[in-house]
Amino acid sequence: AQSVSQHNHHVILSEAASLELGCNYSYGGTVNLFWYVQYPGQHLQLLLKYFSGDPLVKGIKGFEAEFIKSKFSFNLRKPSVQWSDTAEYFCAVNCSGGYNKLIFGAGTRLAVHP
Amino acid sequence: DSGVTQTPKHLITATGQRVTLRCSPRSGDLSVYWYQQSLDQGLQFLIQYYNGEERAKGNILERFSAQQFPDLHSELNLSSLELGDSALYFCASSAPTSGGSYNEQFFGPGTRLTVL
Repeated sequence: AQSVSQHNHHVILSEAASLELGCNYSYGGTVNLFWYVQYPGQHLQLLLKYFSGDPLVKGIKGFEAEFIKSKFSFNLRKPSVQWSDTAEYFCAVNCSGGYNKLIFGAGTRLAVHP
Repeated sequence: DSGVTQTPKHLITATGQRVTLRCSPRSGDLSVYWYQQSLDQGLQFLIQYYNGEERAKGNILERFSAQQFPDLHSELNLSSLELGDSALYFCASSAPTSGGSYNEQFFGPGTRLTVL
């Protein structure tokens, strides 16, 4: 069965530190990949997505992610985090033939200290 | 604001009861998805409807059912509620697809269900 693994459950950073959140998926076919963010008390918002083409994708708020097919990975990065990035981050995958349903990772809670 | 609306925002009920959660998709979207977010299970796909028809099922319990109406709004019915059903229930919608392509999902604010 398809699955998504997020390596870090909790990450604590100081402002201006660099961020990298790991995401690996298990599925041998074509995938669409996503990172969603959930700010405290809010709904899920799409940060960025990869469907095809350039494996380095840029999203909103300075986030980017790199799809490495050989490693089944889609890691999220930001060069310099801000206090307002404190949130929970979810990696998700949609597998071909999976009717659009999203399979989510367990999420990573990021706390950024001023 | 994603354009997806969900009511109610909060629901508190007792074990054994039945509740209905409502979702209105973005204008023009034909697909509606339901997800459950709980502390122990994380975010899990429950069910998808497309233009009134069930399209895909995930880890949805038999006590749960859903439907999508002609005006495209959807309802998720949860019955014989148990303590473990306490969770945040999200609805998402996406635009019509063609040729098997995928369109991103937009999530509503969720309904927080507490079963006492």
